[in-house]
Amino acid sequence: QSALTQPASVSGSPGQSIAISCTGTSSDVGSHNLVSWYQQHPGKAPKLIIYEDTKRPSGVSNRFSGSKSGSTASLTVSGLQAEDEAAYYCCSYTGSNNLVFGGGTDLTVL
Amino acid sequence: QLQLQESGPGLVKPSETLSLTCTVSGDSIRNKNYYWGWIRQPPGKGLEWIGNINFDGITYYKPSLKSRLTMSVDTSRNQFSLRLTSVTAADTAVYYCARRYTSGFFFDYWGQGALVSVSS
Repeated sequence: QSALTQPASVSGSPGQSIAISCTGTSSDVGSHNLVSWYQQHPGKAPKLIIYEDTKRPSGVSNRFSGSKSGSTASLTVSGLQAEDEAAYYCCSYTGSNNLVFGGGTDLTVL
Repeated sequence: QLQLQESGPGLVKPSETLSLTCTVSGDSIRNKNYYWGWIRQPPGKGLEWIGNINFDGITYYKPSLKSRLTMSVDTSRNQFSLRLTSVTAADTAVYYCARRYTSGFFFDYWGQGALVSVSS
């Protein structure tokens, strides 16, 4: 049960859009529509921002969107704002009621 | 508003047992719609799913931790707990408790986290 693969870091300027990839396998990301994304600011608990690949919880900005192609899921943050600077983690169902997280991506707003 | 709060010793000696409790307020742990989970994060590293439990005591554990892990639920106190035996320095982490929908594999509410250090 290996961790999902995410880039260590991404960056963008205010107002721009960025995408964070999350690569798994045909046994996890590619098998189920059950990828979620979490935002974590330093010293804080993670916050759910996307679930079931593309759904956004109530109260989460529509600047966050999720997508998936094959075994790679992606999180897009549009109209970057300073407050978006945080770590982002993907998570996927792997079968048998198990879950696996990605290694995390640090987003820097330049 | 749902709240989860982790509690337990912040320091555990190597080879001993790590025990944490999560107290749930604002909802009943007996709610059949949810599982209750544990996730940990070593200092400076990423998140790791540990396992889930429901009000009936049905558990799902990360396979690599299964031999050392026990989760339990106390419905009278609206709490659920984690026990991890034979700990090493690699178990040093912030431990989070969180809520998961029975029909969904995502965590929508999280506790603030509790740092547990394994050291002699």
